[in-house]
Amino acid sequence: GAVVSQHPSWVICKSGTSVKIECRSLDFQATTMFWYRQFPKQSLMLMATSNEGSKATYEQGVEKDKFLINHASLTLSTLTVTSAHPEDSSFYICSARDAPPTGKWAGANVLTFGAGSRLTVL
Amino acid sequence: ILNVEQSPQSLHVQEGDSTNFTCSFPSSNFYALHWYRWETAKSPEALFVMTLNGDEKKKGRISATLNTKEGYSYLYIKGSQPEDSATYLCAFTVNTDKLIFGTGTRLQVFP
Repeated sequence: GAVVSQHPSWVICKSGTSVKIECRSLDFQATTMFWYRQFPKQSLMLMATSNEGSKATYEQGVEKDKFLINHASLTLSTLTVTSAHPEDSSFYICSARDAPPTGKWAGANVLTFGAGSRLTVL
Repeated sequence: ILNVEQSPQSLHVQEGDSTNFTCSFPSSNFYALHWYRWETAKSPEALFVMTLNGDEKKKGRISATLNTKEGYSYLYIKGSQPEDSATYLCAFTVNTDKLIFGTGTRLQVFP
Protein backbone atom coordinates (compact mmCIF):
# COMPACT_ATOMS: atom_id res chain seq x y z
CA GLY A 1 0.00 0.00 0.00
CA ALA A 2 0.85 3.68 -0.07
CA VAL A 3 3.65 4.75 2.28
CA VAL A 4 4.78 8.17 3.44
CA SER A 5 8.22 8.36 5.01
CA GLN A 6 8.75 11.19 7.49
CA HIS A 7 12.11 12.26 8.93
CA PRO A 8 13.39 12.94 11.46
CA SER A 9 11.31 11.11 14.06
CA TRP A 10 12.82 13.11 16.88
CA VAL A 11 14.67 16.38 16.85
CA ILE A 12 16.00 18.54 19.65
CA CYS A 13 17.29 21.98 18.80
CA LYS A 14 18.33 25.19 20.47
CA SER A 15 16.07 28.20 20.52
CA GLY A 16 16.61 30.38 17.46
CA THR A 17 17.70 27.63 15.12
CA SER A 18 15.74 26.26 12.17
CA VAL A 19 14.58 22.70 11.76
CA LYS A 20 13.54 20.95 8.56
CA ILE A 21 11.13 18.01 8.49
CA GLU A 22 10.76 15.95 5.34
CA CYS A 23 7.91 13.85 4.04
CA ARG A 24 8.36 11.57 1.07
CA SER A 25 5.73 9.52 -0.69
CA LEU A 26 7.54 6.28 -1.50
CA ASP A 27 5.33 4.54 -4.00
CA PHE A 28 2.88 7.14 -5.23
CA GLN A 29 2.77 10.71 -6.38
CA ALA A 30 1.36 13.08 -3.81
CA THR A 31 0.08 16.20 -5.51
CA THR A 32 -1.28 17.38 -2.18
CA MET A 33 0.26 17.00 1.27
CA PHE A 34 -1.17 18.17 4.56
CA TRP A 35 0.85 19.25 7.57
CA TYR A 36 -0.61 18.89 11.04
CA ARG A 37 0.54 19.80 14.51
CA GLN A 38 -0.55 18.09 17.70
CA PHE A 39 -0.07 19.46 21.20
CA PRO A 40 -0.45 17.12 24.19
CA LYS A 41 -3.99 15.85 24.72
CA GLN A 42 -5.24 17.82 21.74
CA SER A 43 -6.36 16.77 18.28
CA LEU A 44 -4.37 16.91 15.07
CA MET A 45 -4.69 20.49 13.86
CA LEU A 46 -4.19 21.26 10.20
CA MET A 47 -1.44 23.82 9.69
CA ALA A 48 -1.24 24.01 5.93
CA THR A 49 -2.04 22.32 2.67
CA SER A 50 0.87 21.89 0.32
CA ASN A 51 0.40 21.53 -3.43
CA GLU A 52 3.21 20.46 -5.70
CA GLY A 53 4.62 23.37 -7.64
CA SER A 54 2.60 26.07 -5.93
CA LYS A 55 2.47 28.03 -2.69
CA ALA A 56 1.09 26.34 0.38
CA THR A 57 -2.24 27.37 1.82
CA TYR A 58 -1.98 28.12 5.53
CA GLU A 59 -4.73 27.80 8.10
CA GLN A 60 -5.82 30.82 10.08
CA GLY A 61 -3.37 31.61 12.86
CA VAL A 62 -0.43 29.72 11.35
CA GLU A 63 2.48 32.01 10.50
CA LYS A 64 3.64 31.28 6.99
CA ASP A 65 6.99 33.01 7.54
CA LYS A 66 7.69 30.81 10.53
CA PHE A 67 6.52 27.51 9.07
CA LEU A 68 7.96 27.35 5.57
CA ILE A 69 6.51 24.65 3.38
CA ASN A 70 8.09 23.54 0.14
CA HIS A 71 6.55 20.96 -2.19
CA ALA A 72 9.03 20.99 -5.04
CA SER A 73 8.28 17.53 -6.40
CA LEU A 74 5.44 15.04 -6.49
CA THR A 75 7.15 12.91 -3.86
CA LEU A 76 8.66 15.39 -1.43
CA SER A 77 7.26 18.07 0.84
CA THR A 78 9.25 19.80 3.58
CA LEU A 79 8.28 21.84 6.60
CA THR A 80 10.91 24.18 8.01
CA VAL A 81 10.34 25.68 11.44
CA THR A 82 12.37 28.86 11.33
CA SER A 83 13.84 30.50 14.41
CA ALA A 84 12.28 27.87 16.59
CA HIS A 85 11.24 28.74 20.13
CA PRO A 86 10.16 26.51 23.02
CA GLU A 87 6.48 27.17 22.24
CA ASP A 88 7.04 25.51 18.84
CA SER A 89 7.80 22.24 20.61
CA SER A 90 5.15 19.88 19.36
CA PHE A 91 4.42 16.79 17.31
CA TYR A 92 4.32 17.47 13.56
CA ILE A 93 2.86 14.97 11.11
CA CYS A 94 2.24 14.97 7.39
CA SER A 95 -0.30 13.17 5.27
CA ALA A 96 -1.06 12.80 1.61
CA ARG A 97 -3.73 11.49 -0.70
CA ASP A 98 -2.59 8.79 -3.08
CA ALA A 99 -5.43 9.12 -5.56
CA PRO A 100 -7.51 11.79 -7.27
CA PRO A 101 -10.78 12.82 -5.57
CA THR A 102 -13.39 10.04 -5.60
CA GLY A 103 -16.24 12.51 -5.51
CA LYS A 104 -16.92 16.19 -5.83
CA TRP A 105 -14.51 16.84 -2.99
CA ALA A 106 -11.38 14.99 -2.01
CA GLY A 107 -12.54 14.73 1.59
CA ALA A 108 -13.73 11.17 0.99
CA ASN A 109 -10.25 9.98 0.02
CA VAL A 110 -8.25 8.22 2.71
CA LEU A 111 -5.08 9.88 3.90
CA THR A 112 -1.70 8.17 4.12
CA PHE A 113 0.27 9.51 7.06
CA GLY A 114 3.89 9.75 7.96
CA ALA A 115 4.91 8.55 11.40
CA GLY A 116 5.38 12.07 12.73
CA SER A 117 8.23 14.16 14.08
CA ARG A 118 8.60 15.17 17.72
CA LEU A 119 10.26 18.59 17.96
CA THR A 120 11.70 19.81 21.24
CA VAL A 121 13.12 23.32 21.32
CA LEU A 122 15.36 24.05 24.29
CA ILE B 1 -16.28 26.38 14.94
CA LEU B 2 -16.50 22.81 13.67
CA ASN B 3 -15.69 20.33 16.41
CA VAL B 4 -15.37 16.57 16.67
CA GLU B 5 -15.91 14.87 20.02
CA GLN B 6 -14.73 11.37 20.77
CA SER B 7 -15.63 9.32 23.80
CA PRO B 8 -14.39 7.81 25.92
CA GLN B 9 -10.93 9.40 26.01
CA SER B 10 -9.43 6.10 27.08
CA LEU B 11 -10.55 2.57 27.64
CA HIS B 12 -8.98 -0.48 29.26
CA VAL B 13 -10.49 -3.86 28.45
CA GLN B 14 -9.60 -7.50 28.88
CA GLU B 15 -8.68 -9.68 25.94
CA GLY B 16 -11.85 -11.11 24.45
CA ASP B 17 -14.09 -8.25 25.51
CA SER B 18 -16.03 -6.37 22.87
CA THR B 19 -15.97 -2.61 22.97
CA ASN B 20 -17.22 0.45 21.18
CA PHE B 21 -16.37 4.14 20.89
CA THR B 22 -18.33 7.17 19.79
CA CYS B 23 -17.49 10.00 17.44
CA SER B 24 -19.83 13.03 17.40
CA PHE B 25 -19.71 15.71 14.74
CA PRO B 26 -21.86 18.57 13.41
CA SER B 27 -24.54 17.08 11.18
CA SER B 28 -24.95 20.02 8.81
CA ASN B 29 -23.02 20.02 5.52
CA PHE B 30 -21.63 16.56 6.22
CA TYR B 31 -19.46 15.05 3.51
CA ALA B 32 -17.37 12.19 4.87
CA LEU B 33 -16.35 10.51 8.13
CA HIS B 34 -13.00 8.78 8.56
CA TRP B 35 -11.72 6.34 11.18
CA TYR B 36 -7.99 5.79 11.67
CA ARG B 37 -6.07 3.48 13.97
CA TRP B 38 -2.85 4.92 15.40
CA GLU B 39 -0.36 2.68 17.15
CA THR B 40 2.42 4.29 19.14
CA ALA B 41 5.45 5.28 17.06
CA LYS B 42 3.70 4.29 13.84
CA SER B 43 1.70 6.08 11.16
CA PRO B 44 -2.06 6.39 11.54
CA GLU B 45 -3.69 3.70 9.43
CA ALA B 46 -6.99 4.22 7.63
CA LEU B 47 -9.79 1.92 8.76
CA PHE B 48 -12.93 3.29 7.13
CA VAL B 49 -14.29 6.20 5.15
CA MET B 50 -18.05 6.56 5.22
CA THR B 51 -20.18 9.02 3.34
CA LEU B 52 -23.79 7.82 3.45
CA ASN B 53 -26.24 7.97 6.32
CA GLY B 54 -26.77 4.44 7.61
CA ASP B 55 -23.44 3.23 6.22
CA GLU B 56 -22.01 0.21 7.97
CA LYS B 57 -18.49 -0.98 7.22
CA LYS B 58 -16.55 -3.96 8.50
CA LYS B 59 -12.91 -4.97 8.50
CA GLY B 60 -12.28 -8.23 10.32
CA ARG B 61 -13.40 -7.78 13.93
CA ILE B 62 -13.78 -4.03 13.55
CA SER B 63 -16.93 -2.39 12.25
CA ALA B 64 -18.35 1.11 12.09
CA THR B 65 -21.74 2.72 11.65
CA LEU B 66 -22.70 6.21 10.59
CA ASN B 67 -25.67 8.43 11.41
CA THR B 68 -25.29 11.73 9.58
CA LYS B 69 -28.69 13.09 10.63
CA GLU B 70 -27.85 13.04 14.31
CA GLY B 71 -24.10 13.45 13.81
CA TYR B 72 -22.46 10.37 15.26
CA SER B 73 -20.48 7.30 14.29
CA TYR B 74 -19.75 4.21 16.36
CA LEU B 75 -16.69 2.02 16.05
CA TYR B 76 -17.03 -1.53 17.37
CA ILE B 77 -14.32 -4.05 18.11
CA LYS B 78 -15.47 -7.61 18.69
CA GLY B 79 -13.34 -9.89 20.84
CA SER B 80 -10.57 -7.36 21.51
CA GLN B 81 -6.99 -8.59 21.23
CA PRO B 82 -3.81 -7.03 22.65
CA GLU B 83 -2.80 -6.05 19.11
CA ASP B 84 -5.91 -3.85 18.95
CA SER B 85 -4.30 -1.54 21.51
CA ALA B 86 -4.00 1.83 19.79
CA THR B 87 -5.55 5.27 19.60
CA TYR B 88 -8.60 5.38 17.36
CA LEU B 89 -9.12 8.70 15.61
CA CYS B 90 -12.17 9.90 13.81
CA ALA B 91 -12.23 12.84 11.43
CA PHE B 92 -14.94 14.44 9.40
CA THR B 93 -15.16 16.83 6.53
CA VAL B 94 -17.81 19.20 5.26
CA ASN B 95 -17.76 20.35 1.66
CA THR B 96 -14.01 20.86 1.56
CA ASP B 97 -10.92 18.74 1.19
CA LYS B 98 -9.84 19.22 4.80
CA LEU B 99 -10.36 16.81 7.66
CA ILE B 100 -11.18 17.86 11.20
CA PHE B 101 -9.95 15.36 13.77
CA GLY B 102 -11.15 14.38 17.20
CA THR B 103 -8.70 13.83 20.07
CA GLY B 104 -9.03 10.07 19.78
CA THR B 105 -9.95 7.16 22.03
CA ARG B 106 -6.98 5.36 23.49
CA LEU B 107 -7.66 1.63 23.82
CA GLN B 108 -5.57 -0.76 25.87
CA VAL B 109 -6.34 -4.45 25.74
CA PHE B 110 -4.85 -6.54 28.54
CA PRO B 111 -4.07 -10.25 28.03
